[in-house]
Amino acid sequence: SQQGEEDPQALSIQEGENATMNCSYKTSINNLQWYRQNSGRGLVHLILIRSNEREKHSGRLRVTLDTSKKSSSLLITASRAADTASYFCAALYNQGGKLIFGQGTELSVKP
Amino acid sequence: DAGVTQSPTHLIKTRGQHVTLRCSPISGHKSVSWYQQVLGQGPQFIFQYYEKEERGRGNFPDRFSARQFPNYSSELNVNALLLGDSALYLCASSWAGGRTQETQYFGPGTRLLVL
Repeated sequence: SQQGEEDPQALSIQEGENATMNCSYKTSINNLQWYRQNSGRGLVHLILIRSNEREKHSGRLRVTLDTSKKSSSLLITASRAADTASYFCAALYNQGGKLIFGQGTELSVKP
Repeated sequence: DAGVTQSPTHLIKTRGQHVTLRCSPISGHKSVSWYQQVLGQGPQFIFQYYEKEERGRGNFPDRFSARQFPNYSSELNVNALLLGDSALYLCASSWAGGRTQETQYFGPGTRLLVL
């Protein structure tokens, strides 16, 4: 299966702390995208990092990509209770539109 | 502008029945993809359509079919429903179907329960 792996599966932190989630994938990718999902509803796109990029920022989010290790990480700084959600990485392996998702990390931020 | 819309939001069917799920992409987007998300797992790719033609198909049985209409909306059909088809079905739209470094925007999903 091409499905990526994410760790940890679950993460519980206090408000104000940073949260780091990791994602690994199988073969060379075109880009990698991170999504958030609240309570089993639709996916909200957070950030896209291309295969030739190593780091990208968006507000309190920082994404890194290490193509030699076939891994990516998502850092959420100064977390808030509203960040509580499931976070998924999704790899685009070729020029088509098929995204391969990881299993997700369930983040709980306690006030 | 409206985002991706899906209907219905919830659906209950019994085994052996047929179901049709609908998706309207963001205005101007020409590609629609369908994903199945079983509880506790990440979404799995089912189909992609671009300009009314099938561009990709995931590892799903022939009971699953889809089509895209001239206005770029799409339908996903599932025949002979099984209990294991119970899932959240997500539709995603994009402008060029992944040809460029573009974001896919997801709808709220249709939750299907097969009894």
